[in-house]
Amino acid sequence: TQLLEQSPQFLSIQEGENLTVYCNSSSVFSSLQWYRQEPGEGPVLLVTVVTGGEVKKLKRLTFQFGDARKDSSLHITAAQPGDTGLYLCAGEDTGNQFYFGTGTSLTVIP
Amino acid sequence: DAGITQSPRYKITETGRQVTLMCHQTWSHSYMFWYRQDLGHGLRLIYYSAAADITDKGEVPDGYVVSRSKTENFPLTLESATRSQTSVYFCASSPISRFNEQFFGPGTRLTVL
Repeated sequence: TQLLEQSPQFLSIQEGENLTVYCNSSSVFSSLQWYRQEPGEGPVLLVTVVTGGEVKKLKRLTFQFGDARKDSSLHITAAQPGDTGLYLCAGEDTGNQFYFGTGTSLTVIP
Repeated sequence: DAGITQSPRYKITETGRQVTLMCHQTWSHSYMFWYRQDLGHGLRLIYYSAAADITDKGEVPDGYVVSRSKTENFPLTLESATRSQTSVYFCASSPISRFNEQFFGPGTRLTVL
């Protein structure tokens, strides 16, 4: 059972464009994390959000946790080739289980 | 500062053979994890360990065995490899809990023929 569905699964855009990646669930999560994974490497944590409605910014990346704590989004402004990678959401549900999402593979074309 | 290392990085084996993937961390983190990564499934937890000699099943434990006799090592064994176990395997560690930031190794790409 996949509790965290990410969309889109694949995304290819031109350098300078904006994009949004979504992480959705029917379950409530106590906290939600976003990781980025570059080819041939393990994932690296970008941010953790814990409060419904919370918005966190990391340079050109904006993360939002839904008010009901069932969804999250990652918005990238003016994408750069260095943003290329697999973006994974992950969260702890209210049953103390921890899951990774299905992933969004982003390619930014120079 | 080696961090977390995995070996081998690549492995090809045959159906029915036993395979052990190694994971070593230098941070003395309490928690260690094994995941498999397959397209469309993200990362799925196989086993995790909260401390030496304490292990617990994750989402997809069938066909895998783990041990943790020392804090820094967490080997994963496929007792009789099957083609469905072809995957990329990641080891991770965390100093606090399985719900906090996890630090990942570079992965082992395993192919079972």
